[in-house]
Amino acid sequence: DGGITQSPKYLFRKEGQNVTLSCEQNLNHDAMYWYRQDPGQGLRLIYYSQIVNDFQKGDIAEGYSVSREKKESFPLTVTSAQKNPTAFYLCASSIADSWFEKLFFGSGTQLSVL
Amino acid sequence: DQQVKQNSPSLSVQEGRISILNCDYTNSMFDYFLWYKKYPAEGPTFLISISSIKDKNEDGRFTVFLNKSAKHLSLHIVPSQPGDSAVYFCAASFSSGSARQLTFGSGTQLTVLP
Repeated sequence: DGGITQSPKYLFRKEGQNVTLSCEQNLNHDAMYWYRQDPGQGLRLIYYSQIVNDFQKGDIAEGYSVSREKKESFPLTVTSAQKNPTAFYLCASSIADSWFEKLFFGSGTQLSVL
Repeated sequence: DQQVKQNSPSLSVQEGRISILNCDYTNSMFDYFLWYKKYPAEGPTFLISISSIKDKNEDGRFTVFLNKSAKHLSLHIVPSQPGDSAVYFCAASFSSGSARQLTFGSGTQLTVLP
């Protein structure tokens, strides 16, 4: 079955630690995205990538970094510079000509700070 | 400043009745609108969309209405079923140069009572 796999489902970060969230897709989609969801708020865009080896900052990129070395993979690193990292993180993908429209989402990673 | 607002955090409806979920937006540049549905512990899934050149789009039990003058859209579910119980996100997008930006509302939790 084609889809988007996010791992781990739950992740805990210690103060000053960097953590990496994994996102893999086998839908052959060109575009991939990372969103953050906080309670009572909508999804906010962190980073997106339309093609391998290229990515752009979204609305709340500070304290995060990404890479897109392979079409299938778009890992997100939450760095120690992100002061409020506790949130639900969603990865998504779309085909090139409908990107930012019909997004396919993974099941998410809940990140909490210890 | 929230450009896409879902002012009702929750809605309860009896099975078989109509569910109406509302969404307001402030940015007149938005030209494409979407609804996503999210079950607990899963990522959102695309439900239905509408272009700003239309005022209605129907797909089975789901109909989206767009009132551009009021900057308002609504999702009607008829008849409502218990399986429709989920969080519904409204989203809006516009083209900015070569990119499209997608903005989400904060979601409405729909509960369909048997």
